[in-house]
Amino acid sequence: DIQMTQSPSSLSASVGDRVAITCRASQSTYTYLNWYQQKPGKAPKLLIYGASSLQSGVPSRFSGSGSGTEFTLTISSLQPEDFATYYCQQTYSLFTFGPGTKVDIK
Amino acid sequence: EVQLVESGGGLVQSGGSLRLSCAASGFTFRSFSMIWVRQAPGKGLEWLSYISYSSDTISYADSVKGRFTISRDNAQNSLYLQMNNLRDEDTAVYYCARVGGSYLTNFDYWGQGTLVTVSS
Repeated sequence: DIQMTQSPSSLSASVGDRVAITCRASQSTYTYLNWYQQKPGKAPKLLIYGASSLQSGVPSRFSGSGSGTEFTLTISSLQPEDFATYYCQQTYSLFTFGPGTKVDIK
Repeated sequence: EVQLVESGGGLVQSGGSLRLSCAASGFTFRSFSMIWVRQAPGKGLEWLSYISYSSDTISYADSVKGRFTISRDNAQNSLYLQMNNLRDEDTAVYYCARVGGSYLTNFDYWGQGTLVTVSS
């Protein structure tokens, strides 16, 4: 089974900050890597698929990069509505989510 | 508009059974694979089961294999999860989601979730 880790597990940031979250896989997932955003009490929302493709309707301040075993989700300028938990997910071998990164207000 | 609406959650005793449903609308249900994901209180997301558009490919996470059964009725635009021999650790919000991307698989639309509480 492919295991996923994320760092940091949480971070505090201010509106306007550039934020980067790292996701690592226990073996190569090539670019079969997605990112989701989840707000409290709500269902997850797909942000990035295929490691770097922006899902339709998602603001361009979100971007994804990486391949193989290391991936990064970057928010170029954090907005108030971006405070949430972010999960990576591999889809190379079945499906595994990372443990999540909570982004809250500094 | 794509909509997924789960139902069937509730309180059940340990060892009991429950059947979740997911009603789909706004897209051609029979053309998409579907999945179930759950989230225990205060915890992360856990993929549970996958069913292809034609039901010919089905997969389960080890945590539910042998206890949960996924199925679908394309004529009724519905997805199901039969859960047997429920345990305390099955307490969670259960989400259904559509599998998007023919190559770069992702879960592009999600339901609002239904809460399952297992009490011993």
